[in-house]
Amino acid sequence: GAGVSQSPSNKVTEKGKDVELRCDPISGHTALYWYRQSLGQGLEFLIYFQGNSAPDKSGLPSDRFSAERTGGSVSTLTIQRTQQEDSAVYLCASRKVGDGNQPQHFGDGTRLSIL
Amino acid sequence: DQQVKQNSPSLSVQEGRISILNCDYTNSMFDYFLWYKKYPAEGPTFLISISSIKDKNEDGRFTVFLNKSAKHLSLHIVPSQPGDSAVYFCAASAWDFNKFYFGSGTKLNVKP
Repeated sequence: GAGVSQSPSNKVTEKGKDVELRCDPISGHTALYWYRQSLGQGLEFLIYFQGNSAPDKSGLPSDRFSAERTGGSVSTLTIQRTQQEDSAVYLCASRKVGDGNQPQHFGDGTRLSIL
Repeated sequence: DQQVKQNSPSLSVQEGRISILNCDYTNSMFDYFLWYKKYPAEGPTFLISISSIKDKNEDGRFTVFLNKSAKHLSLHIVPSQPGDSAVYFCAASAWDFNKFYFGSGTKLNVKP
């Protein structure tokens, strides 16, 4: 498809388990962002990748969270030893860089539930 | 510290009337402002944007106004339609577009 693809769409796991969330950005979009939206809250910035530059990890809430982007395309967000407060919708967005002001395009998110 | 604020969590408007959604920001370095629309179980969808060199941008029924001195922007929807019912987020970025800061959203309900 032409849009940002995220998988899985839903994930239910037990507290303490590790989870891995995947994001396939739009082809040709070099910028990739991860956000988290907790119930009733706005979008919380987590991490930003741009080309080969070092990622901006300033939004990651703890060292249990990490993300990587392989080959400048697909990204995975990993949460280790999940806690109940990690329950949220995790959104990925990509953006075309170098062509004026371009908005982010979002995937439909992964709804993560920690039991 | 929230740099982009949407102080109205919800708004209810009659079909055909104007919807006005408001957003305030604190960072004078913000250069680019956007509005997104979000339906349940879907990701936000880009609606309209404005650069700081302008004070108004119009796209069909949607107009965004920017008041830099007041650090305030608003989205006008005229006429409002039931299909406009969704959560609307405003967002802002500095010139480098490295980070986008989002408000907490306003849930718009357009009544038929």
